[in-house]
Order: sequence, then C-alpha cells, then structure tokens
Amino acid sequence: EDKVVQSPLSLVVHEGDTVTLNCSYEVTNFRSLLWYKQEKKAPTFLFMLTSSGIEKKSGRLSSILDKKELFSILNITATQTGDSAIYLCAVESKGSGDKLTFGTGTRLAVRP
Amino acid sequence: EPEVTQTPSHQVTQMGQEVILRCVPISNHLYFYWYRQILGQKVEFLVSFYNNEISEKSEIFDDQFSVERPDGSNFTLKIRSTKLEDSAMYFCASSEFAGLSYEQYFGPGTRLTVT
Repeated sequence: EDKVVQSPLSLVVHEGDTVTLNCSYEVTNFRSLLWYKQEKKAPTFLFMLTSSGIEKKSGRLSSILDKKELFSILNITATQTGDSAIYLCAVESKGSGDKLTFGTGTRLAVRP
Repeated sequence: EPEVTQTPSHQVTQMGQEVILRCVPISNHLYFYWYRQILGQKVEFLVSFYNNEISEKSEIFDDQFSVERPDGSNFTLKIRSTKLEDSAMYFCASSEFAGLSYEQYFGPGTRLTVT
C-alpha cells in the first residue's frame, strides 16, 4: 500500500522565519510528487517533482526531491501570515488511474 | 484562469437518501477524479475516470458509489444510499493528461453532511 508521511504535523512560526516541511514516501510505482496548499477548501497546486536533485522555485517557495532516499522538502523563506495553511504532499503512482496518495499535511501558522 | 467548479458547496441529506454531487472540470482536461476528506483526516482517492469509464477505484468506492459524465461538461458522483460515515468534503479534480505527470487541479469541494 502506498504511504506518504509528512512532518512536522504542525508548526508555528513568526513572520520572516524560514520553514522546511518534510515528506517521505513509499510507493510501488512512483511517477511524481506534488505539493499542494490547502487554506479553506480546495488544495491548490504548488509544485510537481519528477526528477531528483532539481529544485523547483516559485517566489519564496522552493522544493526538491530525493528519489534515492524517498523524500521531498518544501521550503518557505521570509514567511508571511498569508502562508498560513495546511501543506499537503501527494505522490502519484503509475497505473491506469494515476491516483494521488496524500499525506496528513503540515499545518503551518505564521504569527505577525 | 480556468478552474474546476463544483455544486452544491454544501449538501445536507438524511441517511439512506441518494445524493448527486456535480463537477465541471477544466474544459480541455480529459482525466477526472473524485477524492474525499473526512474532517480532520487525509484526502483520500475515490475514483479516476477517462474516456467514459472508470480507470481505477479505491476500496472506499463500493457499490453505493457511481460516477458519470452525462454530457460534455459535467462529471457527477452519485451516492445511492448515504450513510453517516459518508459525511465528508468531496473534491473533484481534473488533469489534462495522465501517464506523463500532468498535475491535477482541484475544485472547491462539496461538503456533504449526512444526518
């Protein structure tokens, strides 16, 4: 059974801090790893990672994948209160359905 | 920017009733998915759908559930006889392709409350 584990479960930081969120996985037929941000309702797409060692970057957010050690990190620099959300890691497995298996998420709270 | 839409945003129903949750995927997308998230728990895969048939379904997706693409735009999830444990947020997602790592975009969800 595919498994995704995220840590920490929750995190409280102050504006301006840098945070690192972790995601480890066990997947039979790995295709890609995705990060989503969930604020009130729908998960919104952040990154898709398929290759090891190549950093993806979008503004203050960046992410990297290690396919040998089976983990990914999501970094947020100079955090803002608007970054407060649940960050979800999901792994896509190869197969007819290309389903996503999600972790429980990391709840990030950024205090002013 | 194109987005996945879902209706209704909140549905309250009595146990044993049938519900239909509706989704309009992004227009050029070909692959459609339903996920659910019970309050405080993980997002869980229910079913994927392509070319008018189910590609894969999870153990959760039993005979009480069905999906349909009744026309060129809507994608529906039907629960035939709802149970209390079906109360959850149901998310529809779509992707342009599959098999080549195309990201899935999620709708805002329908909160289903079964009383």
